[in-house]
Amino acid sequence: GAVVSQHPSWVICKSGTSVKIECRSLDFQATTMFWYRQFPKQSLMLMATSNEGSKATYEQGVEKDKFLINHASLTLSTLTVTSAHPEDSSFYICSARDPRTTINYEQYFGPGTRLTVT
Amino acid sequence: TQLLEQSPQFLSIQEGENLTVYCNSSSVFSSLQWYRQEPGEGPVLLVTVVTGGEVKKLKRLTFQFGDARKDSSLHITAAQPGDTGLYLCAGAIQGAQKLVFGQGTRLTINP
Repeated sequence: GAVVSQHPSWVICKSGTSVKIECRSLDFQATTMFWYRQFPKQSLMLMATSNEGSKATYEQGVEKDKFLINHASLTLSTLTVTSAHPEDSSFYICSARDPRTTINYEQYFGPGTRLTVT
Repeated sequence: TQLLEQSPQFLSIQEGENLTVYCNSSSVFSSLQWYRQEPGEGPVLLVTVVTGGEVKKLKRLTFQFGDARKDSSLHITAAQPGDTGLYLCAGAIQGAQKLVFGQGTRLTINP
């Protein structure tokens, strides 16, 4: 159980365009999902917390107008990188909390999306 | 502010050796998780420790939560090349939805 998928697994886009990344919980309903960014050989950096049916909570320094998050259903959250620039190139990972184990705050991660902006 | 200090950040050892990775904080955590991540993939949950002093074993991996729930360790015995990866500790603070991650330990086991 507790499987999270991401799509696409990798994407290349041109500077100035927007790209959408999907995160789905496959076998459970996730009221809370998280979006992380990871630079090479570094740990995870939390970008935002996404709660179903409400606005996402962004971490300090993350531009909410550039990284649009929508959590419209209990199994799907999307991250849209708007007007992408080469510095947005990174590995983006989502995670979800499984309410069946929520007492211990575990998060289950998707496989990640490699974004390259040319 | 980095609340979880993980050490060492890099470790390269020979197959068969033992190793310990540490996560330390001045904050108290309601639970602490250990994850392992391979290149190009998302982190995979290894274990959750909840009670102060708790010890959990996963084959050759032993996880311990400090008595005061401020620190944790991961000990691997007889390391194997398949143990190679990025190990991440993450603490949950009571009442907060998000996890606090350590900097990660990049472990390489040489055959």
